[in-house]
Amino acid sequence: NAGVTQTPKFQVLKTGQSMTLQCAQDMNHEYMSWYRQDPGMGLRLIHYSVGAGITDQGEVPNGYNVSRSTTEDFPLRLLSAAPSQTSVYFCASGSGGGPVDEQFFGPGTRLTVL
Amino acid sequence: AQKVTQAQTEISVVEKEDVTLDCVYETRDTTYYLFWYKQPPSGELVFLIRRNSFDEQNEISGRYSWNFQKSTSSFNFTITASQVVDSAVYFCALSEARAAGNKLTFGGGTRVLVKP
Repeated sequence: NAGVTQTPKFQVLKTGQSMTLQCAQDMNHEYMSWYRQDPGMGLRLIHYSVGAGITDQGEVPNGYNVSRSTTEDFPLRLLSAAPSQTSVYFCASGSGGGPVDEQFFGPGTRLTVL
Repeated sequence: AQKVTQAQTEISVVEKEDVTLDCVYETRDTTYYLFWYKQPPSGELVFLIRRNSFDEQNEISGRYSWNFQKSTSSFNFTITASQVVDSAVYFCALSEARAAGNKLTFGGGTRVLVKP
């Protein structure tokens, strides 16, 4: 049971490049989400999904796309990277049934946009 | 809209001292859930505790204790007899019952430095 996995762990992009951050979970969780962590601001929700085929925007969705074709995977796409997207990105999953559930976080991806 | 405030950005203590982390939250929901997470220097997020808005009973788990007071919208966290391994950033977070998807609103975090 690997829990929540994220790849890559580190990434450096140039402004304007695109890339996809991968997230996978093997706990059969319905809920998955992406957060970004910036210094002094805690974690902020980018996008989330309540099940395969269903996604919605969080607090800071601009510049990011998501899709959820399977229960296990929830990739985050940066279409045209900007320096403001330099951050640490965390993927999380939860078993659903409402906010009572603990969310399990992946190890994070540290992204630098030059 | 919901909001979580952790007014202390950094706390420095000497080993074996107690340290209390403050967390104040805002929500219009009557049913909500509060969490504490720990982020050690290695960077991962470690779940510590979850409380629901109907349970104001304080909780102790080893050297950790939590004080939940709805009257002041606070959910404070105390580490008793701190150890160097407690050095980390601690986040308080809120999830509203009406929010879909287990969405969490985080505070800005408090960095705890425990010196030997």
